[in-house]
Amino acid sequence: SQTIHQWPATLVQPVGSPLSLECTVEGTSNPNLYWYRQAAGRGLQLLFYSVGIGQISSEVPQNLSASRPQDRQFILSSKKLLLSDSGFYLCAWSGNGVLMEQYFGPGTRLTVT
Amino acid sequence: RKEVEQDPGPFNVPEGATVAFNCTYSNSASQSFFWYRQDCRKEPKLLMSVYSSGNEDGRFTAQLNRASQYISLLIRDSKLSDSATYLCVVNGDDKIIFGKGTRLHILP
Repeated sequence: SQTIHQWPATLVQPVGSPLSLECTVEGTSNPNLYWYRQAAGRGLQLLFYSVGIGQISSEVPQNLSASRPQDRQFILSSKKLLLSDSGFYLCAWSGNGVLMEQYFGPGTRLTVT
Repeated sequence: RKEVEQDPGPFNVPEGATVAFNCTYSNSASQSFFWYRQDCRKEPKLLMSVYSSGNEDGRFTAQLNRASQYISLLIRDSKLSDSATYLCVVNGDDKIIFGKGTRLHILP
């Protein structure tokens, strides 16, 4: 069966510090991968998605970036965090194609102070 | 019209009652529809897919109305453990779009 891991589970970082969140998927190959952010009391905002190694599509202009160095690894980064970057970051995977359901990791709760 | 729209609630429903949610979508070409459940401070989890013919899973029934562009979720004999936020998901032109969710509180 497929599993998806995210770490860390929680993170408190000062404004201006760098960020690296990691997501890995097991039990499947060539998945589509997604990064979402959910601000407190808000809906899910799609940040990035990837259909293959090195292929990243950005949905929202911001100070975040994503990379996919391996088939089942997806990394979300920032060089300098802003207060507005606080939120619940969720990684998800799906099979190939936009019609497929997505499965989420446990998320990382980021607080920028 | 928003791409996916849900009543944010909260719906406060006594245990054992039946509750129904609707979700409207704007893209008439959408083909995939799902309901997710999200518990407080947790990740969304797939509850069920929604097929053209409708589908049922235990106490949960999902239906699609293409003519009026909405999907619905019916929960029968509600349990305390059904308290959560229910997210409607619809595929757009090239990506899946999540609604903001409807909060449900089941009251003992």
